[in-house]
Amino acid sequence: DIVMTQSPDSLAVSLGERATINCKSSQSVLYSSNNKNYLAWYQQKPGQPPKLLIYWASTRESGVPDRFSGSGSGTDFTLTISSLQAEDVAVYYCQQYYSTLLYTFGQGTKLEIK
Amino acid sequence: QVQLQESGPGLVKPSETLSLTCTVSGGSISSYYWSWIRQPPGKGLEWIGYIYYSGSTNYNPSLKSRVTISVDTSKNQFSLKLSSVTAADTAVYYCARGGDIVATKGYFQHWGQGTLVTVSS
Repeated sequence: DIVMTQSPDSLAVSLGERATINCKSSQSVLYSSNNKNYLAWYQQKPGQPPKLLIYWASTRESGVPDRFSGSGSGTDFTLTISSLQAEDVAVYYCQQYYSTLLYTFGQGTKLEIK
Repeated sequence: QVQLQESGPGLVKPSETLSLTCTVSGGSISSYYWSWIRQPPGKGLEWIGYIYYSGSTNYNPSLKSRVTISVDTSKNQFSLKLSSVTAADTAVYYCARGGDIVATKGYFQHWGQGTLVTVSS
């Protein structure tokens, strides 16, 4: 199994400041044949399903504000919110889809306002 | 805009079978991969398995012996059956749509609102 580990578990950031969430996979999720990282990021607000933010590690889903960006390759990835807004309070999950035998998610990072 | 809606009993007795259906509206179930994902209260996300519209399936190895996912293209629905449930299977169950090709099947652009299933006698 590919284990996804996020850090930190929780994070408090002031409005307008940058928020950074890290995700590390236990093995590379970079597929050499197409040079794509099989890594997605989701945002989940209370009582709602997760919402896809980023796929292929850095491709923003349609309609997602450009303050959200994804970066990284191989085993280390980052979700960055460049200027935190109140509506960004949520739990964020990374997910690998490299292993088609078992898709796995990180444990989640809770983002709050400082 | 594609919409997914889960339906089924909210309470299941231990050792019985959990059965849920996901109805897809605003688009065809054909040509896409469809997954079930669950989330125990206050915890993280666990992928259960997927089905392609043609009927091919792939299940989480930890659940494989108890899971069956099926599709009914005529009704634009797909379903989940989880047998021999215990309290550990109590969770919000989501249905979700993956992509339409192999490379994109594993990330989920569209989700249902989720349905809480409690396993209790």
